[in-house]
Amino acid sequence: QQQVKQSPQSLIVQKGGISIINCAYENTAFDYFPWYQQFPGKGPALLIAIRPDVSEKKEGRFTISFNKSAKQFSLHIMDSQPGDSATYFCAASRGSTLGRLYFGRGTQLTVWP
Amino acid sequence: DTEVTQTPKHLVMGMTNKKSLKCEQHMGHRAMYWYKQKAKKPPELMFVYSYEKLSINESVPSRFSPECPNSSLLNLHLHALQPEDSALYLCASSPGLAPINEQFFGPGTRLTVL
Repeated sequence: QQQVKQSPQSLIVQKGGISIINCAYENTAFDYFPWYQQFPGKGPALLIAIRPDVSEKKEGRFTISFNKSAKQFSLHIMDSQPGDSATYFCAASRGSTLGRLYFGRGTQLTVWP
Repeated sequence: DTEVTQTPKHLVMGMTNKKSLKCEQHMGHRAMYWYKQKAKKPPELMFVYSYEKLSINESVPSRFSPECPNSSLLNLHLHALQPEDSALYLCASSPGLAPINEQFFGPGTRLTVL
């Protein structure tokens, strides 16, 4: 059973546009929500993360919005660039899971120049 | 040094071969992980080591055998693999097991089983 549901599966955005990727979860025990970025031929790398006690976190062009009551969180990429073209995974974890990350299925983002 | 290194980058092996994947980190991290990733899929956790002891085995077949000889090294021994085991094998490390500890991933070993 997929613990974290991610959409869309693929996303095509024009350079300068806003990319939005959505994730939803059921388990209210989750207390940490990271986003990973993966380029072809590379391992995933942490992009940005949020805890459920805040509703938004911004780092440069990347923003996580978190809606605890709806059990949803999303990644917004402002002023999307061709260099942002990658696969993005949302994930969730909780303290009792010994480092286990529950990943979404991933979103392949393509930014057209 | 904020890098996780993995060797080899590519590996082709037959179903009767024995091979090993290696992972190394020098960040002083005490947790290390093995993941398996199929094309266009998220990483799937296989094993977690904490302080050189196995913490999680996600019901991985015994043809995969992990080993953590010291706090910097993690090996994955492979024996009698099946073609469906072909995948990218990722190693990761983190300072500890608490969720807030970032997992640093290596570039992976691309494994092909013939």
